[in-house]
Amino acid sequence: GQQLNQSPQSMFIQEGEDVSMNCTSSSIFNTWLWYKQDPGEGPVLLIALYKAGELTSNGRLTAQFGITRKDSFLNISASIPSDVGIYFCAGRRQGATNKLIFGTGTLLAVQP
Amino acid sequence: GAGVSQSPSNKVTEKGKDVELRCDPISGHTALYWYRQRLGQGLEFLIYFQGNSAPDKSGLPSDRFSAERTGESVSTLTIQRTQQEDSAVYLCASATDYEQYFGPGTRLTVT
Repeated sequence: GQQLNQSPQSMFIQEGEDVSMNCTSSSIFNTWLWYKQDPGEGPVLLIALYKAGELTSNGRLTAQFGITRKDSFLNISASIPSDVGIYFCAGRRQGATNKLIFGTGTLLAVQP
Repeated sequence: GAGVSQSPSNKVTEKGKDVELRCDPISGHTALYWYRQRLGQGLEFLIYFQGNSAPDKSGLPSDRFSAERTGESVSTLTIQRTQQEDSAVYLCASATDYEQYFGPGTRLTVT
């Protein structure tokens, strides 16, 4: 099935570092969502974005809906060990059904 | 409030047996999705229910897989004649028009 291009595929960082990951699509999207999945759990919604250019924060997390409506970014500031997990982007294409399309995921490892 | 629940949480079955996985969505959510996630992999879309519309079955990997949903409530995913390659976590998610929430998943192991 169709998936969004998400990068990087994995990141290994030191505690305290900032992290950035992104998703891109060839189609215009009208919604972007970011999820985090801990081992053995289902993904949990972190941030939802609905307008081009929108910048939304949730604690140390900040996500942006790209101005072209074809991309989105997630930044994590001052990473801590519990940030470890897999981060997924998801989006809805404009003019399509309500069905969400998911990115391939970014594995984040944080070394204390 | 109550989130999405799935049962069983773990299922071990012998190759060739049929299994049924259950999803109880959040009340009032019109959309329901099933995904498969193999170990260390991303989310593989299986099927999507939206209200009373015909389901989008485009992700089902073979005719051994089927799913039903009664109205806007419970959904069951059935896998017939299970194969070892079916071993994975099966995730259900329910959604409003804007946001989607996942259940904890059912871990299926086919021996």
